Amino acid sequence: EPEVTQTPSHQVTQMGQEVILRCVPISNHLYFYWYRQILGQKVEFLVSFYNNEISEKSEIFDDQFSVERPDGSNFTLKIRSTKLEDSAMYFCASTRGTGYTFGSGTRLTVV
Amino acid sequence: AQTVTQSQPEMSVQEAETVTLSCTYDTSESDYYLFWYKQPPSRQMILVIRQEAYKQQNATENRFSVNFQKAAKSFSLKISDSQLGDAAMYFCAYRYRTGAGSYQLTFGKGTKLSVIP
Repeated sequence: EPEVTQTPSHQVTQMGQEVILRCVPISNHLYFYWYRQILGQKVEFLVSFYNNEISEKSEIFDDQFSVERPDGSNFTLKIRSTKLEDSAMYFCASTRGTGYTFGSGTRLTVV
Repeated sequence: AQTVTQSQPEMSVQEAETVTLSCTYDTSESDYYLFWYKQPPSRQMILVIRQEAYKQQNATENRFSVNFQKAAKSFSLKISDSQLGDAAMYFCAYRYRTGAGSYQLTFGKGTKLSVIP
């Protein structure tokens, strides 16, 4: 069964550093998403991406965040200057329509 | 705003027994999708079951079934013959169309299910 692949599975970074989280969505999917889950809390929407541009973003997705689809297969989330409160699980998801497939997540720890 | 409410932060069930996890949602839409996701300790999000609102028949996937009450905006998950591997966080989610025309999932806060051997 096709999978959404996320790398790395765990990243530890110093506060103020930039991190790039990578995702390879399912190849024939058209819509891509990043979600965040702070430990013990619910999953929150960050951004959606369609047709090579952001279609929607939440208030969490401020100027420190950016997304790219640099080569038609990878889908990246960049956090420019990480803060302690950015520590969370970050999930990539993709869909062709109604079925959302999530990746295994990247656990980001900011120290 | 679209909201999803899971009123049971924690539930437990005896192995081989049946448990029902509740979920309610708020919407003014008539056509939408509802989902249950399972999140084991590995924290991966795994789709358990999906329901299309325009279908009256309740979705079923092996030991998992839903009780979808559209008028009451209720979407409960029933797990039959519970197994130890069912222990996880379960999230109810609702897919809605935003004002900008895209689709988003919004999640409830989750129910932690423990299975007692």
